[in-house]
Amino acid sequence: GAVVSQHPSRVICKSGTSVKIECRSLDFQATTMFWYRQFPKQSLMLMATSNEGSKATYEQGVEKDKFLINHASLTLSTLTVTSAHPEDSSFYICSASSGQGQNQPQHFGDGTRLSIL
Amino acid sequence: DQQVKQNSPSLSVQEGRISILNCDYTNSMFDYFLWYKKYPAEGPTFLISISSIKDKNEDGRFTVFLNKSAKHLSLHIVPSQPGDSAVYFCAGGLYNQAGTALIFGKGTTLSVSS
Repeated sequence: GAVVSQHPSRVICKSGTSVKIECRSLDFQATTMFWYRQFPKQSLMLMATSNEGSKATYEQGVEKDKFLINHASLTLSTLTVTSAHPEDSSFYICSASSGQGQNQPQHFGDGTRLSIL
Repeated sequence: DQQVKQNSPSLSVQEGRISILNCDYTNSMFDYFLWYKKYPAEGPTFLISISSIKDKNEDGRFTVFLNKSAKHLSLHIVPSQPGDSAVYFCAGGLYNQAGTALIFGKGTTLSVSS
């Protein structure tokens, strides 16, 4: 149980294009979804938290106009990297939580490796 | 400011022995702590968690110990198996208005040799 699917697993695109990454909870309803970014040899850094039907909450230093997050249903959240540039190249990973009760773990997708040329 | 620190980037253990993975934190406001395991090309998989009001939680071969006064937690795996070889992340969980934020350490790569 608690499977989270993230797509695509790898994207290579030209500078200036926008890239959409999907995160789906396959066997549970995800009240809350999270988007992380990981640089090489660094820890996962939380970018934003999204609750279904409401605007995402962005962490300090994360540009909300650059990283658009939509959480339109209890099983799907999308992250769109707008007008991507080489410095946006990174590993992006989503997680989902059912939010039922305290101390619930987050369940992660397999991540998306984004490379901007 | 790194709130969760895993100071050992790697650990090598023989099969059957105990693996002890350590984690230190600076934020006394964490509500709970979690350990995740990550294989290459896969996302982190939840292993075990512990509430900040507990000092021990056990699940099969995995036990997590929390020492709040030292701001230290550890994951014990016994007996260690070759399939346990992976990167292990420690994370602190904070409740906020948006949900629960997880702050991760950089990870420790565990290698279990047969």
